[in-house]
Amino acid sequence: DGGITQSPKYLFRKEGQNVTLSCEQNLNHDAMYWYRQDPGQGLRLIYYSQIVNDFQKGDIAEGYSVSREKKESFPLTVTSAQKNPTAFYLCASSTRRTSGGSEQFFGPGTRLTVL
Amino acid sequence: KNEVEQSPQNLTAQEGEFITINCSYSVGISALHWLQQHPGGGIVSLFMLSSGKKKHGRLIATINIQEKHSSLHITASHPRDSAVYICAVRYVNYGGSQGNLIFGKGTKLSVKP
Repeated sequence: DGGITQSPKYLFRKEGQNVTLSCEQNLNHDAMYWYRQDPGQGLRLIYYSQIVNDFQKGDIAEGYSVSREKKESFPLTVTSAQKNPTAFYLCASSTRRTSGGSEQFFGPGTRLTVL
Repeated sequence: KNEVEQSPQNLTAQEGEFITINCSYSVGISALHWLQQHPGGGIVSLFMLSSGKKKHGRLIATINIQEKHSSLHITASHPRDSAVYICAVRYVNYGGSQGNLIFGKGTKLSVKP
């Protein structure tokens, strides 16, 4: 089955530690995205990538880093510089974006709690 | 500031009722998405539309470009429809991550049997 996988579903880390969230897709999509969701707020874009070896900052990139070495993988690292890392993180992918946009497919999400 | 407003924030309905969730936005868009998020957190794309109306099963999405407004309707609602429904738009010109989706805060729907 084609889809997006994120692991783990729940993640706990101590304050000050970097942590990497996994996102893998087998949909052959060019574009991938990382969003953050906080209670009572809409999803906010952290980083996105439209093609391998290229990525762009979203609206809230500070304290995060990404890589896109393979088409199917787009890992997100939450660094110790991120002031409020506890949140629900969602990965998504789509075909290469046209002017009208394309449907995004979402992963199941990772809930990160920093203690 | 380009925002997406949804109403109502919370909605409780009895099984079988007709449900409407509203979404309004501020300036020109190239596309509007309706998404469904279940309690476990996973998100499913329901519709992507830029004009008119789309229907899938008991779900209907409409958009009025002139009024900058979209509605999501659920006919013959069922407890399994209970979820958070999220509206997202792709603005034509947005000062931030240009061309990316801007999300509403969601409408939490609970359908009672």
